Amino acid sequence: EAAVTQSPRNKVTVTGGNVTLSCRQTNSHNYMYWYRQDTGHGLRLIHYSYGAGNLQIGDVPDGYKATRTTQEDFFLLLELASPSQTSLYFCASSDEWGRSSYEQYFGPGTRLTVL
Amino acid sequence: SQWGEENLQALSIQEGEDVTMNCSYKTYTTVVQWYRQKSGKGPALIILIRSNEREKRSGRLRATLDTSSQSSSLSITGTLATDTAVYFCATDEGVVGQLTFGSGTRLQVYA
Repeated sequence: EAAVTQSPRNKVTVTGGNVTLSCRQTNSHNYMYWYRQDTGHGLRLIHYSYGAGNLQIGDVPDGYKATRTTQEDFFLLLELASPSQTSLYFCASSDEWGRSSYEQYFGPGTRLTVL
Repeated sequence: SQWGEENLQALSIQEGEDVTMNCSYKTYTTVVQWYRQKSGKGPALIILIRSNEREKRSGRLRATLDTSSQSSSLSITGTLATDTAVYFCATDEGVVGQLTFGSGTRLQVYA
């Protein structure tokens, strides 16, 4: 079964702090995604990647960097965290676009609080 | 119904009732996916309908797609308390590799 893991599961930091959220998938999927989820806004795409070394900008990229080091690992970096980045963050992976299902497999989420 | 920046919709029903949720999208999509998110978990795909399909069934779930009105619906028949969750629709809007999610419908099913 598809597996996406995230760490940490909870993180508290202060304004201006550095935060790195980690995601690993063992699905052998090419695509990986970072979303943030806020009440009333559903899931909003921050960055995504279709392979190691590749990075695509999503819909809400400001204040975020991302890096895909391997096919399995995708990181989200907040270099100067702000309270507006307090949110629930999800990582997801999917198979090569155009294959049968386009399904995205989500991790359990990381709750980030910026004080 | 759900889309874009609309507030999260909420529905409360009794176990055994049927429910329908609606979703609209902006332009074109090759597929509409419906995800369910239970409390404390990530979303999970429950049914997918392609642009060349009008209806898709899976167990108690039924999805419809009307490309002329750019809308989709998800129906659940004979709801159970375990159907309590937030339901999202997602479309690709013709963009390879990217999904756009609706704001979601929160469904509470009381036993």
